Formats: sequence, C-alpha cells, structure tokens
Amino acid sequence: AQTVTQSQPEMSVQEAETVTLSCTYDTSESDYYLFWYKQPPSRQMILVIRQEAYKQQNATENRFSVNFQKAAKSFSLKISDSQLGDAAMYFCALFLDAPDKLIFGTGTRLQVFP
Amino acid sequence: DGGITQSPKYLFRKEGQNVTLSCEQNLNHDAMYWYRQDPGQGLRLIYYSQIVNDFQKGDIAEGYSVSREKKESFPLTVTSAQKNPTAFYLCASSIDGTGISYNEQFFGPGTRLTVL
Repeated sequence: AQTVTQSQPEMSVQEAETVTLSCTYDTSESDYYLFWYKQPPSRQMILVIRQEAYKQQNATENRFSVNFQKAAKSFSLKISDSQLGDAAMYFCALFLDAPDKLIFGTGTRLQVFP
Repeated sequence: DGGITQSPKYLFRKEGQNVTLSCEQNLNHDAMYWYRQDPGQGLRLIYYSQIVNDFQKGDIAEGYSVSREKKESFPLTVTSAQKNPTAFYLCASSIDGTGISYNEQFFGPGTRLTVL
C-alpha cells in the first residue's frame, strides 16, 4: 500500500529564518510525483512545489526548495527567509499514474513568529 | 475568472437527512474529485470522475454518492448511511484525469458540513 508520513505535527520558525518540514513515503512504483501543498487559515489548498521522481535535480520555487532522496523515500521541504504569510498547514502528497489520485500525509502546522 | 466554486461554505444538517454539496468549475477540466478532510488527517479521496457520465469510488466512498451529468458540475450527496459526516469537504479538478501524466489538481474553497 502507498503511504505518506509526516512525523512533525507542528513546527515553528522565527521570521527570516529557515525551516525544514519532513516527509517520507512508501510506494513500489518507480514513476510518481511528489508535492507540497499549503493550506492557510482560509483552507484553500495551494500547490507549493512539485517533484517528478525521474528527475534527480531537486525542485526549487523561489524561497521553497525540496530535498528529494529517492532511495530513502524522503521528500523534505525547506522554506528560506520565512515570512508571516508562510504560517499554514503543509501537506506532503504522492501521485501515482494509476490509479489517478493523490495520497496525502497528515500535515504539519507551521507557525511563524515575528 | 476561471476557478472552482463550492457552495455553501457552511452547511448544517440534522442527523438522518441527506445533503448535497455543490461543486462547479469553469476551467474546462475533464476530471473532478471529492476529498474529505478531518482534524489531524490529510485529505482522503471519496469519489472521482475522469469524464462526463463516469465516476469511480475512492478510498472512503461508503455513505456518499455522486453524479457527473455535466462537465462543469460534480455534486456530492452525503447520505444518512454515512456514519460520521461532520467534516470539511474539498472539491478539485484537473485537465485530464487519465493518469497518463500528472495534471495539477486545482482545489475549491471547501464546504464545512456539520451534523447536528
């Protein structure tokens, strides 16, 4: 069975500092995609970053980057220069080609302190 | 503006009543999805539809039903058979749900259902 595990229910960071959120996953498939979604208090799900499993290079989107370790099945999110607006729930998700669905972790609540 | 709308934002129902949650998209997407979110848990897939007039059960379909008569609409009915319906419900859509390649899922703002 495919699973996604986020072992940090809550994390906190000082404004302008860097924080890393952890995610591990399990799948026997070789082709898949990994994502980090942000859910602010409005509860709107927002895609933060995505990583294709066949790509060795880690994805980067402005202040957000990932550390993708395929052999270890690890997919962490690093947020640099944290801002107050980064405070939200962050979900790690795994997408497999078949069936067509996203498998979510339980989320990490990130607090950002001024 | 293109997007996904869900109505209402908050919904209350009495135990034993069926209730239908609305999801509409004007993105011309083929695929649509319903997820349930409970506190301390991630999103779980209820039903999905890859094309009009076709839909498949997700991981937690029991007590729910859907229809896909129009491309832009994918209503979810929470029936009285759903034992614990109080939750946050999210609808999503993507261009192509065939799974040949990944297409980003865009999410609606959600509906909070409370059973009294």
